[in-house]
Amino acid sequence: AQSVTQLDSHVSVSEGTPVLLRCNYSSSYSPSLFWYVQHPNKGLQLLLKYTSAATLVKGINGFEAEFKKSETSFHLTKPSAHMSDAAEYFCVVSPWDTDKLIFGTGTRLQVFP
Amino acid sequence: EAGVTQFPSHSVIEKGQTVTLRCDPISGHDNLYWYRRVMGKEIKFLLHFVKESKQDESGMPNNRFLAERTGGTYSTLKVQPAELEDSGVYFCASSPGTSGRADTQYFGPGTRLTVL
Repeated sequence: AQSVTQLDSHVSVSEGTPVLLRCNYSSSYSPSLFWYVQHPNKGLQLLLKYTSAATLVKGINGFEAEFKKSETSFHLTKPSAHMSDAAEYFCVVSPWDTDKLIFGTGTRLQVFP
Repeated sequence: EAGVTQFPSHSVIEKGQTVTLRCDPISGHDNLYWYRRVMGKEIKFLLHFVKESKQDESGMPNNRFLAERTGGTYSTLKVQPAELEDSGVYFCASSPGTSGRADTQYFGPGTRLTVL
């Protein structure tokens, strides 16, 4: 069965420092992987997606993620955090045989000035 | 272009009452999905429409939940009768259906349902 594990429920960083949000996946076949973000009172917004092309995926707002098959990881990074990055982030897998998305439990990112 | 919209944004009802949630997908999107997040848990898939047909309803928790998408446009999700464990945030998403399983799903802001 496919699943994703977000290793941290909360991450706190100072503005201007790097962000690392960790995600491990479990999938029998080559999955599609996504990162979504939810700001307060907003819908989920797609940050980036991996669909078996380049293993380093660049997304919006300076975020990127690297697909590492050997480590079954898809960690999200950003070189320099901004106050507006404070939100909840979800790592998501889409199995090969269905359209439904399988979500991790989310990581809440706090950014301090 | 308008995004996915959901109505109401919040609903507070008593156990045993009926509630109907509405989702308007992005115009022209054939695929419509419902998801739910119960407090403290992950967001979980409920069902998937392709146009007006139910493609996958494997995530529907029980027969108190009824989803419809008449005419292949907007969708409703009715809970009747509501129970305490139905409380949570209900998300709707849509996708165009042109890129296969890697289609981006565009999400609405969600409806927060509280059952007292």
